[in-house]
Amino acid sequence: LAKTTQPISMDSYEGQEVNITCSHNNIATNDYITWYQQFPSQGPRFIIQGYKTKVTNEVASLFIPADRKSSTLSLPRVSLSDTAVYYCLVGDEGGYNDMRFGAGTRLTVKP
Amino acid sequence: GAVVSQHPSWVICKSGTSVKIECRSLDFQATTMFWYRQFPKQSLMLMATSNEGSKATYEQGVEKDKFLINHASLTLSTLTVTSAHPEDSSFYICSARDPGQNSPLHFGNGTRLTVT
Repeated sequence: LAKTTQPISMDSYEGQEVNITCSHNNIATNDYITWYQQFPSQGPRFIIQGYKTKVTNEVASLFIPADRKSSTLSLPRVSLSDTAVYYCLVGDEGGYNDMRFGAGTRLTVKP
Repeated sequence: GAVVSQHPSWVICKSGTSVKIECRSLDFQATTMFWYRQFPKQSLMLMATSNEGSKATYEQGVEKDKFLINHASLTLSTLTVTSAHPEDSSFYICSARDPGQNSPLHFGNGTRLTVT
């Protein structure tokens, strides 16, 4: 079971790009990397998922180096509403190894 | 997209009573659902894995007789907190995975339980 490590907290300002890195040194060959966002008193919400290289959707990009031992969630031009906790999870396709959460990164966006 | 509905969103109960929380997958069938508990300023803690038609698998340290899980259909799992005490007050969240390929977990909006 791949363990993940993220910074506990990060601060940013509106309009800036925010990059949150997650370490997963013992990621397995079949593991995917998934990022979630959680606001207070709400369930986590899926942001993005990837296996290698780069994935981009309408809200974020996910960069995964060739060795896949880390990944970086990139949020372009953050706003105050992006203040939340961000979690990266690692697990295999269709399996259930990725349901255990790490500590997450608390992002605070300031005006 | 896949939706997981959780009910109620909040509940207040007296110490010693039992509370049932429902988790439904609205547009997909979930053979497996997960139940989490989250205390303020902390991460989600996996409590148990709920399997349709069979017994739930509980994480170490979670009392199975206190947190009863039933997964009688492919779209419904329930968590019953029995003989609740103030220390059981927490935010409970369920999740499920659409069995489609590469599908991420989808989460309910959580249930805030307050035991007085």
